[in-house]
Amino acid sequence: DTEVTQTPKHLVMGMTNKKSLKCEQHMGHRAMYWYKQKAKKPPELMFVYSYEKLSINESVPSRFSPECPNSSLLNLHLHALQPEDSALYLCASSQDERVGSVFGQGTRLTVV
Amino acid sequence: GQQLNQSPQSMFIQEGEDVSMNCTSSSIFNTWLWYKQEPGEGPVLLIALYKAGELTSNGRLTAQFGITRKDSFLNISASIPSDVGIYFCAGRNSGAGSYQLTFGKGTKLSVIP
Repeated sequence: DTEVTQTPKHLVMGMTNKKSLKCEQHMGHRAMYWYKQKAKKPPELMFVYSYEKLSINESVPSRFSPECPNSSLLNLHLHALQPEDSALYLCASSQDERVGSVFGQGTRLTVV
Repeated sequence: GQQLNQSPQSMFIQEGEDVSMNCTSSSIFNTWLWYKQEPGEGPVLLIALYKAGELTSNGRLTAQFGITRKDSFLNISASIPSDVGIYFCAGRNSGAGSYQLTFGKGTKLSVIP
């Protein structure tokens, strides 16, 4: 298995909703990432988990809450989002910090 | 902070032509990566470069890690319609625990059949 799988592929949520994005990989990668990507822009790093511990939080608002239940799973919990949070949310993983990351297909999030 | 200048921003080429794009940095990177992203999809890793001067090919794609460690280029030979997409360079300045990737702004490639 050489993929990073993200669910759901599309999500529409209201500003008062709570939802979660899920990411899974079975490549034995020890680092997992959440990125946010706006249209026509490169991905922006949000969080990095290394060996299931949060190692980087790029000053992301607390309405985004990451969770790494085990080495294969990464969640992003969403609460009280704003319309400007609408974007493609990408999960990625890598064996370690030295090698290239493998990205999932992304979740297209729309906040209404 | 670190910045990557990727050029050109966009390209319109005829099918069969060769393509070249590059990235330059104000600081040194230890890893250069090239990704391709199609609409509605995540970026796909095309080539990874880990050593200054390294030249690596993947089918019709060739990329090089500049000897100064501050630049990299990607060439695509004999372009085909499915090469259409946005190509991103990304650099990593690996040290202990350094997972941060710095991305270029992307090169949008359009191929005219």
